Order: sequence, then C-alpha cells, then structure tokens
Amino acid sequence: NAGVTQTPKFQVLKTGQSMTLQCAQDMNHNSMYWYRQDPGMGLRLIYYSASEGTTDKGEVPNGYNVSRLNKREFSLRLESAAPSQTSVYFCASSASAPDTQYFGPGTRLTVL
Amino acid sequence: QKEVEQNSGPLSVPEGAIASLNCTYSDRVSQSFFWYRQYSGKSPELIMSIYSNGDKEDGRFTAQLNKASQYVSLLIRDSQPSDSATYLCAVIGTSYDKVIFGPGTSLSVIP
Repeated sequence: NAGVTQTPKFQVLKTGQSMTLQCAQDMNHNSMYWYRQDPGMGLRLIYYSASEGTTDKGEVPNGYNVSRLNKREFSLRLESAAPSQTSVYFCASSASAPDTQYFGPGTRLTVL
Repeated sequence: QKEVEQNSGPLSVPEGAIASLNCTYSDRVSQSFFWYRQYSGKSPELIMSIYSNGDKEDGRFTAQLNKASQYVSLLIRDSQPSDSATYLCAVIGTSYDKVIFGPGTSLSVIP
C-alpha cells in the first residue's frame, strides 16, 4: 500500500500560470482533503470531499478549484497562480468524514 | 478567538524529562480530539485520538481531555531527541465533517 501519494513534490510557477496538483489514495477511503500549510498558520483546509461526487469549500478556497475524479483521486487546480499561494500543500484522506486523517508527502509550491 | 489554540513554542526539554503540550478549543460541542506529530519537512502523522474526559495512555504518550474546561493536552514521558518535532492539536468542528487544526507547538528535546 502506497497510502496517499501526491505529485509533483516541488513546483515553481510564475504569477498567472495555472497548474493542477494530483492526489491519490489506495486505502478505499471515502473522504479526501486539501490543506495548505504556511509558517505560523498551521494547516488550513482549502477544499474537501466527504464522499465521491461531493466537494465543499473549506477555510481558504479562493483561487482554487477541485475535482473528485473518482473514489481514489482528488485534484487541486490553481487557475491563475499568485505569490500568496506560495505554500506547502498536503492532501489527506480518511475512511469517513471526519476521522483520523492520513497525509500525503506534500507539494512545495513557489509562485514568483 | 481562534477555534483551536496551542501553547506558543518553541518548547525545549532535556532528554528524559516530561514534555507537556497544551491545546484549547472554542467549540463546546466538539467531541473528537487528535494529536499529530510533524517532523520538519514531512507530513503530519497521528499519535493519538481521544474522545472521552480523562486520560488515555499509549506507551510514553498520554492524552488528557477536559471538556468542561475545553482543554486537551499531550504528555510525553522520558522524552527522546527523536521526539523533536511540531505537535498539532486537531478538533472536529461544529459541522462534524472536517477537522480543525491548531497552529502547532514546536518541541525540541535536548540530549
């Protein structure tokens, strides 16, 4: 079992560029989450999907979109990157919402 | 007031000592509480969960919950240098469908 995987691990973008962060889990979990982590701010929820076919906004959704492609995959898209989106992004999954969460390795994104 | 607050760090303790990490939360109806450990440059991993008032022990770790005081703590006995990490307190919020994380407390165990 790979658990939760994320791609890419690192990314540098220029302001205005777009990109999609990919996340997949092989634990047959129903719920998936996207967080960003900034120094001194802890983990902040961007979007979550309580179950396949549903998505909801978290604390900081502006500038992001998500797609729950199937039960395994949950992607995060930045349509027009801004320097304020420079952060470490974590994907997580749980058997149900809410429950113990299992995190991916993270994506370190820098927007210039 | 933030929904989940933790004692500001960094916290430094000598090897072998007890490390005490504290967390308060604002939502009185919260029922589930978690402690995650995050090593520098890594992702968070669950240490313990606690749902009832009182103490819950797992090896060197003890979680303590007091719902009346809206307070949850983590004690690490016989602290080791390998315990040096940031500890995140997490609480299930009012909407019951997501977890709210505190800002974390950085712990350093000095050999």
